[in-house]
Amino acid sequence: NAGVTQTPKFQVLKTGQSMTLQCAQDMNHEYMSWYRQDPGMGLRLIHYSVGAGITDQGEVPNGYNVSRSTTEDFPLRLLSAAPSQTSVYFCASRGYSGSKNIQYFGAGTRLSVL
Amino acid sequence: AQKITQTQPGMFVQEKEAVTLDCTYDTSDPSYGLFWYKQPSSGEMIFLIYQGSYDQQNATEGRYSLNFQKARKSANLVISASQLGDSAMYFCAMREDLYNQGGKLIFGQGTELSVKP
Repeated sequence: NAGVTQTPKFQVLKTGQSMTLQCAQDMNHEYMSWYRQDPGMGLRLIHYSVGAGITDQGEVPNGYNVSRSTTEDFPLRLLSAAPSQTSVYFCASRGYSGSKNIQYFGAGTRLSVL
Repeated sequence: AQKITQTQPGMFVQEKEAVTLDCTYDTSDPSYGLFWYKQPSSGEMIFLIYQGSYDQQNATEGRYSLNFQKARKSANLVISASQLGDSAMYFCAMREDLYNQGGKLIFGQGTELSVKP
């Protein structure tokens, strides 16, 4: 009963380093998304995907890349980390639970950029 | 423009009492959904309850109910018989254009609820 799995849970980067946050879901959901959560600002959408091979930008896409080669995986890449990208990152997938289309979240990745 | 507004940054409630968390939204789309999520101190986001704009009755899930007032554009969460484990951050969220596969979920800023013993 894995649901949405994010790795790593914690990460510390130096400014300018690159890294990939991994996200996998086992619910066969077409829709997946990435959010960042900053204090006092709720969750803001970075990128989303409606299926393999299809991605689009959300509210705050700058500095992040995504790709979707399979239904299961939706990695988020930080190309050149900046202190402003210090945040908690959540991956989510969306699918039907009964008649309701619900978004389910991973446990989050806490990222610090020094 | 802020699409989801939660005006209560923090609230206290006595254990076993009911509490209402406020949420107002702004949309011109006739087809939308409203969601509430709970985020305990451990950090995960837990789905609580959903209300569709066309739903005739207010949603209920156990001790959670959603007071949906469409004309006022409000979707308040009511927690009955509060428990210590209800202490958490609560987020209201909205998804417009429900029939669009790419419809985005937009969040409010959250309300931190503390339950007192």
